[in-house]
Amino acid sequence: DGGITQSPKYLFRKEGQNVTLSCEQNLNHDAMYWYRQDPGQGLRLIYYSQIVNDFQKGDIAEGYSVSREKKESFPLTVTSAQKNPTAFYLCASSMGPAGLAGGYLSSYHEQFFGPGTRLTVL
Amino acid sequence: GENVEQHPSTLSVQEGDSAVIKCTYSDSASNYFPWYKQELGKGPQLIIDIRSNVGEKKDQRIAVTLNKTAKHFSLHITETQPEDSAVYFCAAFMFSGGYNKLIFGAGTRLAVHP
Repeated sequence: DGGITQSPKYLFRKEGQNVTLSCEQNLNHDAMYWYRQDPGQGLRLIYYSQIVNDFQKGDIAEGYSVSREKKESFPLTVTSAQKNPTAFYLCASSMGPAGLAGGYLSSYHEQFFGPGTRLTVL
Repeated sequence: GENVEQHPSTLSVQEGDSAVIKCTYSDSASNYFPWYKQELGKGPQLIIDIRSNVGEKKDQRIAVTLNKTAKHFSLHITETQPEDSAVYFCAAFMFSGGYNKLIFGAGTRLAVHP
């Protein structure tokens, strides 16, 4: 079956610890994303990667780090610098990000989401 | 800045009734608007989307309408069923801060009562 997997489903962290959330996709997608979801809020973009060995900060990147050494994997590390890490973390992928042509957004590829990881700081 | 506003935040309907969720967006250049359904403890799933070159799109009991002039779009669910109960997110695709991204609304929790 093709899709996106995230592990673990639940993760508990002590204050001061770094933890790494796994995200794997076998959809052969170029682009991958990490979002954070808090109650009563929409998804907020943490980091994204358009292609292997490249990644960019999203809107709330402080306290997080990522790597993209393989096309199918995009792990997210929540560092001790993240002051409020308790949240639901969602990974997504798409065939590719849209480009910008002629001043208008060109074709966009649907984002497929994984099942999420719920991180709780003890 | 760029944002998407979604209303209502909660919606309760009786089985068989219709449900409507509305979103407005700020960037007039946006041209892609997906709707996602998220069940408890799961990741969002795309249920329908619309591009700016059409005003309406239907898929069985679900429809989405887009008014580009007013910069708002809506999700319509007819003949609601208990399994429609979930959180629904609208989103708009925008070029912001140097990159393309989806901006999500805050979500609508829909409860369908038998």
